Amino acid sequence: QSALTQPASVSGSPGQSITISCTGTSSDVGFSKYVSWYQQHPGKAPKLMIYDVSNRPSGVSNRFSGSKSGNTASLTISGLQAEDEADYYCSSYTSTTTLAVFGGGTRLTVL
Amino acid sequence: EVQLVQSGAEVKEPGESLRISCKASGYIITNYWISWVRQMPGKGLEWMGRIDPSDSYKNYSPSFEGHVTISVDKSISTAYLQWSSLKASDTAIYYCARHIRSSGWSPFDYWGQGTLATVSS
Repeated sequence: QSALTQPASVSGSPGQSITISCTGTSSDVGFSKYVSWYQQHPGKAPKLMIYDVSNRPSGVSNRFSGSKSGNTASLTISGLQAEDEADYYCSSYTSTTTLAVFGGGTRLTVL
Repeated sequence: EVQLVQSGAEVKEPGESLRISCKASGYIITNYWISWVRQMPGKGLEWMGRIDPSDSYKNYSPSFEGHVTISVDKSISTAYLQWSSLKASDTAIYYCARHIRSSGWSPFDYWGQGTLATVSS
């Protein structure tokens, strides 16, 4: 059981937009501005896509955006491309002794 | 260019010890924390703990505290993750990752390529 709850899978067609949710509690997502999103292709290391809820690292496409409302964070990918097919993980700083938690991951399929 | 290069895959038996490494280059290792993240076969990411290489201060997730040890050798810009007695359930890919900022909690901007540790009798 992961600390943060994500849908197991989402799908969309090329050009469409999708949103992946990440639900936590008032001790992590609701508490922290340090919510981040990672993309992981099979057999590869994760890649930071969004940090501090809505900031994009240099080099990450502006098709990726993040937001947060209460205890739920969201990652939106617009203009879906085949290369976006991957697993996506949210993560948050937490006020508990764990310090950092991840979601269980969401498999994005581009139809 | 910032790089984290991890040591190669390991195959061990239960009860054996193991140390895997993560060599940092392209930046001053003492300027940024390093965390370790576990990914069990077919599963998600789990944060294990972090170290501040400037003073070796560490935090561990309660799920891993007492079972692993994180350390750093500043002189060779290398962080380590070690076990004194492995279990079969330690079979996983282990990633080191650099925190994006030099102080306070922050996400991970650079990751190692991962080290697969297989524990089996």
